[in-house]
Amino acid sequence: NAGVTQTPKFRILKIGQSMTLQCAQDMNHNYMYWYRQDPGMGLKLIYYSVGAGITDKGEVPNGYNVSRSTTEDFPLRLELAAPSQTSVYFCASSGLANTDTQYFGPGTRLTVL
Amino acid sequence: AQSVTQLDSQVPVFEEAPVELRCNYSSSVSVYLFWYVQYPNQGLQLLLKYLSGSTLVKGINGFEAEFNKSQTSFHLRKPSVHISDTAEYFCAVIQHQGGSEKLVFGKGTKLTVNP
Repeated sequence: NAGVTQTPKFRILKIGQSMTLQCAQDMNHNYMYWYRQDPGMGLKLIYYSVGAGITDKGEVPNGYNVSRSTTEDFPLRLELAAPSQTSVYFCASSGLANTDTQYFGPGTRLTVL
Repeated sequence: AQSVTQLDSQVPVFEEAPVELRCNYSSSVSVYLFWYVQYPNQGLQLLLKYLSGSTLVKGINGFEAEFNKSQTSFHLRKPSVHISDTAEYFCAVIQHQGGSEKLVFGKGTKLTVNP
């Protein structure tokens, strides 16, 4: 199993550009999550999904959108990039319930200039 | 109020010394508690979790944590650390928000093990 994969690993965007961060998991997990990590701030939940076709906002959803058309994929869309979105983004998945172990991808480091 | 507080942002120790990383949680959250570790330039991975049962929880790589309800704490310990334990450690709790449950992370503690 590859686990949770994320692409790209690094990206530099200009203000106002858009991009999609890709996330895929091959563990047949129902739950998927997007977090952002800023230095000294821990991880903040952006969006999550409890299954294909079902998504919901986390703590910091503004400026982002998600979709979940399949169990495996959970892309994160940035429509109008802003410097405040400079961060490291992690995708994670878990099995049946929120108390299950979350498995994390390697992260995408995004810089908006 | 912060759901989970990690009291030390950085902890330097020497190799083979014991270490304790402190975590306190708000009494208003559930008592599902987790410790995750993040090695440099990697994603997080689970060290251990407490859901119920014995208050002493053993995890991977020789780490253990003790759930203390009266002190609302879930401190992480290792009796003898290695250079390879250098990483950032995150305490996390399940918080009920708007009818759903979400994992909320502390701000992290950077453990540096020196030779």
